[in-house]
Amino acid sequence: DAGITQSPRHKVTETGTPVTLRCHQTENHRYMYWYRQDPGHGLRLIHYSYGVKDTDKGEVSDGYSVSRSKTEDFLLTLESATSSQTSVYFCAISEFQGRLGEQFFGPGTRLTVL
Amino acid sequence: RKEVEQDPGPFNVPEGATVAFNCTYSNSASQSFFWYRQDCRKEPKLLMSVYSSGNEDGRFTAQLNRASQYISLLIRDSKLSDSATYLCVVSDGGATNKLIFGTGTLLAVQP
Repeated sequence: DAGITQSPRHKVTETGTPVTLRCHQTENHRYMYWYRQDPGHGLRLIHYSYGVKDTDKGEVSDGYSVSRSKTEDFLLTLESATSSQTSVYFCAISEFQGRLGEQFFGPGTRLTVL
Repeated sequence: RKEVEQDPGPFNVPEGATVAFNCTYSNSASQSFFWYRQDCRKEPKLLMSVYSSGNEDGRFTAQLNRASQYISLLIRDSKLSDSATYLCVVSDGGATNKLIFGTGTLLAVQP
């Protein structure tokens, strides 16, 4: 299994509070991604990174920010959590893009916003 | 129209059966195709990449039809351990080749 960890694995928070999720990899892969998964939707891309300090928005980026100060860490911040951000969040990594761009996923973080 | 469409199932099959999943995608510029499996409350795991020539990995065979924008996954001799949700994944055809995930097809293999 790819060396990807996510923390915390579960979190319950209240509306309006900031929340930071961490993704840590030991594979030295260049690309890192944050997705959310909700019933009735496929995984949807929030933000991704193509190198240290290089990030870009995905499909559902509103209300989220990211930072990548080291190759191994990719942080996702919910600046002011809302109930619509209750979801399961997955981090993924890939070594390449294009035809060899398989992504490997972390175990996920279950976030509940009350 | 969704970018990646799959029959949500569930597909209930007996052990030993052969089962086929289909997936259609809307972007003709897509270049990368994958099947992932996801167990309940777990992360998606790569099952196999899908190539134009088709590819096989043990009991699993994947096919790609670019003209019809259609991908399939065939599982032979189903095992109880094959019970999971199977996700069809397609690249967005853009410069960064981001992946688009289908909502998945649920397979339940019965003893």
